[in-house]
Amino acid sequence: EDKVVQSPLSLVVHEGDTVTLNCSYEVTNFRSLLWYKQEKKAPTFLFMLTSSGIEKKSGRLSSILDKKELFSILNITATQTGDSAVYLCAVVHSGGSNYKLTFGKGTLLTVNP
Amino acid sequence: NAGVTQTPKFQVLKTGQSMTLQCAQDMNHEYMSWYRQDPGMGLRLIHYSVGAGITDQGEVPNGYNVSRSTTEDFPLRLLSAAPSQTSVYFCASRPQGINGYTFGSGTRLTVV
Repeated sequence: EDKVVQSPLSLVVHEGDTVTLNCSYEVTNFRSLLWYKQEKKAPTFLFMLTSSGIEKKSGRLSSILDKKELFSILNITATQTGDSAVYLCAVVHSGGSNYKLTFGKGTLLTVNP
Repeated sequence: NAGVTQTPKFQVLKTGQSMTLQCAQDMNHEYMSWYRQDPGMGLRLIHYSVGAGITDQGEVPNGYNVSRSTTEDFPLRLLSAAPSQTSVYFCASRPQGINGYTFGSGTRLTVV
């Protein structure tokens, strides 16, 4: 069974802290891994990772994939209250099912002032 | 581009009622999917479509039907609503060859 596990499930930090969110997976026909940020409504796309060891970066957010150990991390530096959200990790399955995403349960990040 | 548009945003149904959740995208995306999101469960795939006229079941298809008569529209039908179908429903689409889905803003459904 395809599985995506995120940890921790929730996290409370203070503004300015650095956080690391984890995503491990066990899937058949891995194609890529996606990170989304979900505030009140729809998930919004953050990163797509397909190759090991190549860091994706956007401002204070960065992410990296390890295809050998089957995990990814999402780092947020100098956190702000606006970073408070649920962060979702999803794995895209390739081949006959390349339209399919399997999501983790998400990490709820709360950034206090 | 409006992106992915879902209607209604909120709905309350009585057990046994039927309804259709609408989803439309104006980006000419081939792939469309329906997910439900429940507390502590993440997003789970209900049905998906790889193009007009082609649909298939996802992880939790029971109680739901879909059709894809046009590229733009992918409605989700609840035939006989049950309290277990209380959830937030998201429609998503993507073009061929691109992995990242664009999500609609969701429909919050309550079945009483």
